[in-house]
Amino acid sequence: DAMVIQNPRYQVTQFGKPVTLSCSQTLNHNVMYWYQQKSSQAPKLLFHYYDKDFNNEADTPDNFQSRRPNTSFCFLDIRSPGLGDAAMYLCATSRGGDSLQHFGDGTRLSIL
Amino acid sequence: QKEVEQNSGPLSVPEGAIASLNCTYSDRGSQSFFWYRQYSGKSPELIMFIYSNGDKEDGRFTAQLNKASQYVSLLIRDSQPSDSATYLCAGGGGADGLTFGKGTHLIIQP
Repeated sequence: DAMVIQNPRYQVTQFGKPVTLSCSQTLNHNVMYWYQQKSSQAPKLLFHYYDKDFNNEADTPDNFQSRRPNTSFCFLDIRSPGLGDAAMYLCATSRGGDSLQHFGDGTRLSIL
Repeated sequence: QKEVEQNSGPLSVPEGAIASLNCTYSDRGSQSFFWYRQYSGKSPELIMFIYSNGDKEDGRFTAQLNKASQYVSLLIRDSQPSDSATYLCAGGGGADGLTFGKGTHLIIQP
């Protein structure tokens, strides 16, 4: 089945230690998104790639970066995680021009 | 600032009854609206989407959209305990990301 896969499902890192979250997709969608969802809050869009074009949300902290080496893969890099960055990180994809998004299972990030 | 507002609940409904979930949005440019179900600790799961004014039915679920009032709703008929979850309303347009509400926590009482 075509799908969106996030790895790892659970990630624990130390305060200030860089961490990378991974997302891959077999849907061949050209748009990929990263959302952050803290406990009991709405998912919040961090950024998205439309093909190779990177679109950053205005209020996304500089601590958060993303890479998309090819159509299938997208990475979220957190350069110096703080305690406030503990959250579920959701990757989603869509076909360009279509709002319908397909979500992965998410990565739950904990900061020690 | 795009905003989607939902009553956080909890909304408690007896098993077999109709659950009614509501949401309002601020961005008149939003073209598409989505309802996601999210169980605790899990990723959002798409339940319904609606693009046009009026009603859209899929099994036990009916989505309603009123663009003039900037209002979206979800009705769940014959509610089951397995419907207990948080329901997220989201709006968007084109390939831009979705704006989500904080969700309504629904409890179906056996």
